[in-house]
Amino acid sequence: DTAVSQTPKYLVTQMGNDKSIKCEQNLGHDTMYWYKQDSKKFLKIMFSYNNKELIINETVPNRFSPKSPDKAHLNLHINSLELGDSAVYFCASSLGLAGGRREQYFGPGTRLTVT
Amino acid sequence: DAKTTQPTSMDCAEGRAANLPCNHSTISGNEYVYWYRQIHSQGPQYIIHGLKNNETNEMASLIITEDRKSSTLILPHATLRDTAVYYCIVRVAGEAAGNKLTFGGGTRVLVKP
Repeated sequence: DTAVSQTPKYLVTQMGNDKSIKCEQNLGHDTMYWYKQDSKKFLKIMFSYNNKELIINETVPNRFSPKSPDKAHLNLHINSLELGDSAVYFCASSLGLAGGRREQYFGPGTRLTVT
Repeated sequence: DAKTTQPTSMDCAEGRAANLPCNHSTISGNEYVYWYRQIHSQGPQYIIHGLKNNETNEMASLIITEDRKSSTLILPHATLRDTAVYYCIVRVAGEAAGNKLTFGGGTRVLVKP
């Protein structure tokens, strides 16, 4: 019954490889996000999609490409992985963009380690 | 987005109220105050939010000063499971902002027995 799920939970790979992280939400939300939490524990938004349309793209290298096949899924594909991509990646979702109560529900995170 | 300032860390005793301050002196009229927390190795969890009035839910209370330049999150009876990093975030309400959350360093709260 997990609200926001991510796969895989752990991902260890070598520099230069291409990898994907999947995210699914069963909350009926229309907006999904990707955040990155680095080794210093700072959480930064990367992307958001509303009704499958890209809304936020926070100066992320174009090696990172989000894809939203439908409103319930937002996947993150990373090309040519670099050491600096090692981090925990969190997916989140919410209902709507504007107004008051728009809390985001976060997934459990995917710990990516690039060696 | 308005910036927030929080103490880096604080301890509190189990069973006592925990009062977490947040300064957001540059907040604008269309910005909400949100609180999230992150328990070790988990995704952030929404706690509460408010605009002008004080708010209470099953997890916490939020007290916002009249000038809206600061707020306090109150955990009424802290338990060991409340040990986490607590983030105070100011969020622009307009659609153009895309519901973006800008996380700062937060306050690391340690609840002690």
